[in-house]
Amino acid sequence: EIVMTQSPATLSVSPGERATLSCRASQSVSSNLVWYQQKPGQVPRLLIYGASTRATATPARFSGGGSGTEFTLTISSLQSEDFAVYYCQQYKNWPYSFGQGTKLEIK
Amino acid sequence: EVQLVESGGGLVKPGGSLRLSCAASGLTFSSAWMTWVRQAPGKGLEYIGRIKSKTHGGTTDYTAPVEGRFTISRDDSKNTMYLQMNSLKTEDTAVYYCTKDVPLTGGGALEHWGQGTLVTVSS
Repeated sequence: EIVMTQSPATLSVSPGERATLSCRASQSVSSNLVWYQQKPGQVPRLLIYGASTRATATPARFSGGGSGTEFTLTISSLQSEDFAVYYCQQYKNWPYSFGQGTKLEIK
Repeated sequence: EVQLVESGGGLVKPGGSLRLSCAASGLTFSSAWMTWVRQAPGKGLEYIGRIKSKTHGGTTDYTAPVEGRFTISRDDSKNTMYLQMNSLKTEDTAVYYCTKDVPLTGGGALEHWGQGTLVTVSS
């Protein structure tokens, strides 16, 4: 089973600044990597799939990068609505698996 | 617009059973790979299992925590997916989400989510 590890657990950033979240896979997942955003009390929302393809309605300030075992989600200029928990997830091999999440909070 | 509506959650005692339903609309359900994901209170997301379209055999895959206890099925004539949960444990307490993937991602990139249904396992 592929283990996904996200870092940091919590990231404090000021609005307007850049945020970079990391995700590491215990073995290569090629580009079969997804990022989700979840706000309190809401359903997760797909942001990025295929490591770098933005989903429908994902703003351009969100970008995904990486392949193999190391991945990043970058938010270029944080807006108030971006403060949430972010999960990465691999879909290279079943069982598919999520990271434990990174909480992005306002500094 | 794709809509997924779960139902059937509730309170059940350890060792008990429950069946969840997911009614889908706005998509060609028969060709969709559908997935169940859960989230324990205050915790992260966890895959439960998926069911492939009949074209791809209609087979199911499960994760280790539920293998042998949970069964996913589908009724394409009703645009509905089911999750039969047996031998429930307290650690199965979670919100259960029905999801639909981005096509051709094997149930991987979960684009559409229902609102979830809460299952509480407690004596």
